[in-house]
Amino acid sequence: EAGVTQFPSHSVIEKGQTVTLRCDPISGHDNLYWYRRVMGKEIKFLLHFVKESKQDESGMPNNRFLAERTGGTYSTLKVQPAELEDSGVYFCASNRATNEKLFFGSGTQLSVL
Amino acid sequence: RKEVEQDPGPFNVPEGATVAFNCTYSNSASQSFFWYRQDCRKEPKLLMSVYSSGNEDGRFTAQLNRASQYISLLIRDSKLSDSATYLCVVDSGGYNKLIFGAGTRLAVHP
Repeated sequence: EAGVTQFPSHSVIEKGQTVTLRCDPISGHDNLYWYRRVMGKEIKFLLHFVKESKQDESGMPNNRFLAERTGGTYSTLKVQPAELEDSGVYFCASNRATNEKLFFGSGTQLSVL
Repeated sequence: RKEVEQDPGPFNVPEGATVAFNCTYSNSASQSFFWYRQDCRKEPKLLMSVYSSGNEDGRFTAQLNRASQYISLLIRDSKLSDSATYLCVVDSGGYNKLIFGAGTRLAVHP
């Protein structure tokens, strides 16, 4: 069974540019989450999808971040325009039900210069 | 105050040693508790859930004290392969988001 896959694994962009991260959850997992770890800090929750609906987006830092999950399959997280403080590792995770084991993707390392 | 506090370490121990990590959490409404392991430049992976009665999985033992809002992880007979960062994780109190500690680094040496 394929795990949670994220693309790209690394992205280096300049301040002010736009970047789109993609996450493919495990097939059949209705719940999809985005988390991120910025340098020197702990991993923090960004948002949670149930199928295509945003269940909780309380962790989204500001309106430069837009997450979508059209069709309830893969998800994208767009940062526009990117700022220096957005640098970090963005993890996607999924599970079948919210009380079941959470599987993480290997993350996207975003560097904003 | 951080929602989940851990000693960052590093803990440098020889193979075969027993090592214990502690964690405190601030939200008394948290219901689910976990230890995750994260290797360098990798994703977090669930090591074990933590139950009120305490639970054991091979060389790993986890304990929860709800009254003190304290979680512990004990690793016996440390292996080189146990070297990693151990993340204490709790839920946000009935919601589906997880709150992560910053992690405790363990380095096991020969």
